[in-house]
Amino acid sequence: QKEVEQNSGPLSVPEGAIASLNCTYSDRGSQSFFWYRQYSGKSPELIMFIYSNGDKEDGRFTAQLNKASQYVSLLIRDSQPSDSATYLCAVNPWADYKLSFGAGTTVTVRA
Amino acid sequence: NAGVTQTPKFRILKIGQSMTLQCTQDMNHNYMYWYRQDPGMGLKLIYYSVGAGITDKGEVPNGYNVSRSTTEDFPLRLELAAPSQTSVYFCASSYTVSGGYTDTQYFGPGTRLTVL
Repeated sequence: QKEVEQNSGPLSVPEGAIASLNCTYSDRGSQSFFWYRQYSGKSPELIMFIYSNGDKEDGRFTAQLNKASQYVSLLIRDSQPSDSATYLCAVNPWADYKLSFGAGTTVTVRA
Repeated sequence: NAGVTQTPKFRILKIGQSMTLQCTQDMNHNYMYWYRQDPGMGLKLIYYSVGAGITDKGEVPNGYNVSRSTTEDFPLRLELAAPSQTSVYFCASSYTVSGGYTDTQYFGPGTRLTVL
């Protein structure tokens, strides 16, 4: 079983819609959870991090964490063409300062 | 602050050649990392360092070496390049307190390496 799994893409959404990205992880003791955005040919950049169960909102982005079910999700509201990118979920396993990355979900927002 | 810088941006190597990928950060971060990313794949950790003089292997270290003599620099050495090392290489850094939450990793722009 992979440590971090993301829903397979690509995900195509119309402009203005909500894009929903899911990520599950295997280490129940994981502490920190990150969502990175990566444009084609560019390096990953942090969108959000979340440490506690529940929702965390930042502008059009909402991260949701459920440690009991071992999943973390990212919602992108009012999707824009500029949101078209690959989104990487990263998890910090228990007692480990390294991150485990998922393979990413590619999102395409069509105008 | 320049953040994390990497050189070169692109490189083509012949099988058996060696090279060093340079990485420098100016954020006084204690942790530094090297990843490789193959097409359509996530990031795989090659090596990491928790401070000057301390390095350790990640999940795909074979064929690579690192050193960290200063806080700022973390070069990655490829010995005897093979086609399987064709990839995009990212360096990253973070400030992490031992026993605390892992802080955000900041990535450099990447080096695109082709081995022919």
